Amino acid sequence: EVQLVESGGGLVQPGRSLRLSCAASGFTFDDYAMHWVRQPPGKGLEWVSGISWNSGRIGYADSVKGRFTISRDNARNSLFLQMNSLRPGDTAFYYCAKLSYDTSGYPTDWGQGTLVTVSS
Amino acid sequence: EIVMTQSPATLSVSPGERATLSCRASQSVSSNLAWYQQKPGQAPRLLIYGASTRATGIPARFSGSGSGTEFTLTISSLQSEDFAVYYCQIYNSWPPELTFGGGTKVEIK
Repeated sequence: EVQLVESGGGLVQPGRSLRLSCAASGFTFDDYAMHWVRQPPGKGLEWVSGISWNSGRIGYADSVKGRFTISRDNARNSLFLQMNSLRPGDTAFYYCAKLSYDTSGYPTDWGQGTLVTVSS
Repeated sequence: EIVMTQSPATLSVSPGERATLSCRASQSVSSNLAWYQQKPGQAPRLLIYGASTRATGIPARFSGSGSGTEFTLTISSLQSEDFAVYYCQIYNSWPPELTFGGGTKVEIK
């Protein structure tokens, strides 16, 4: 069974940093691309960032480009999102998602999410 | 940038009735479209991929159709557990973006 468990969320002041982690199990982690998707409370889904199986292809939404960095450690079956210069508009549940293929595709499995609240 | 528009925003349906949800892309996306169901307090769940292929374990009452710019998710006979928000989503090979529609909330009439 695929399991994705996010951690690292919390309350942070504007301008500060936070690092999210996603621990994966139940599948061969380095066979799949992984993405982060966020959802402000009560609102819709927004793609944040994605990374291919070998970190060779990486993409970011314009809203986070230059501030967020995605990475993965295949030896530890883990996905990360380093979030710098956080803004109130970054407040959301952050989900990690496993994609259907090694470089792209659609999310087949999602974690339960971790809440990031940016507020003074 | 491709924009995905879902309609209606809210759909009121009685249990046992048919629900038809629409998703329109601002330009052709071939069949690279997926549908997700999300219930309150839960992560999204994959229902349909490739516009019309049901994901593993998804009941046959869920069906997807369309290609190009117009897509439809049909729930043939709504069950109590189907009341939720539904999102369409397109996927590209490169750049690796996932674009979501704004969602349709299916509520009990």
